[in-house]
Amino acid sequence: ETGVTQTPRHLVMGMTNKKSLKCEQHLGHNAMYWYKQSAKKPLELMFVYSLEERVENNSVPSRFSPECPNSSHLFLHLHTLQPEDSALYLCASSQGLAGGGNEQFFGPGTRLTVL
Amino acid sequence: GNSVTQMEGPVTLSEEAFLTINCTYTATGYPSLFWYVQYPGEGLQLLLKATKADDKGSNKGFEATYRKETTSFHLEKGSVQVSDSAVYFCALSGASGTYKYIFGTGTRLKVLA
Repeated sequence: ETGVTQTPRHLVMGMTNKKSLKCEQHLGHNAMYWYKQSAKKPLELMFVYSLEERVENNSVPSRFSPECPNSSHLFLHLHTLQPEDSALYLCASSQGLAGGGNEQFFGPGTRLTVL
Repeated sequence: GNSVTQMEGPVTLSEEAFLTINCTYTATGYPSLFWYVQYPGEGLQLLLKATKADDKGSNKGFEATYRKETTSFHLEKGSVQVSDSAVYFCALSGASGTYKYIFGTGTRLKVLA
């Protein structure tokens, strides 16, 4: 595997379910991000981890719970979601936080549908 | 605050037409500027970047020049192909006071054969 991978690619869940999204980066980066991409809205930054510590929790509802067990893996745990949470969830990584021209590398995303 | 503004889409062009997608930014300090592209069903991919004023980023026939005097980073391509149909995002990083990457809203490009 190369780059940033995400699983599953598609997920359909009911409002009472609990599920997790997984992200893995194979680039040796030390910062990882979760974004939410909804139709006709700007990309929303949800969480940022640097050296496995959370440095940003961008007013995200508690029904989204991130976990970063090591610098290569990032999870997003989901529980009691709402239909408006349906979106494409993108994971990204970078070497260091924004600055110095370091670009972010994105995974393909998980398309989440909440029924 | 720091922000990125892109032209509204969609932009529809015929194959071999000239493309310009406008991007302007507001930022303190000395940000780096990026263009990302998102093809259907995929994540964002870096298309090109520039890290200081007057730098030109280029890749796959696309170009953009970092213009500090006009706070702009417009994306251009001389002759688009159907395969260029995608959503294009302008972004910045490294602005003073934030470690975040700041993205524009994206511009959808549709190229017709």
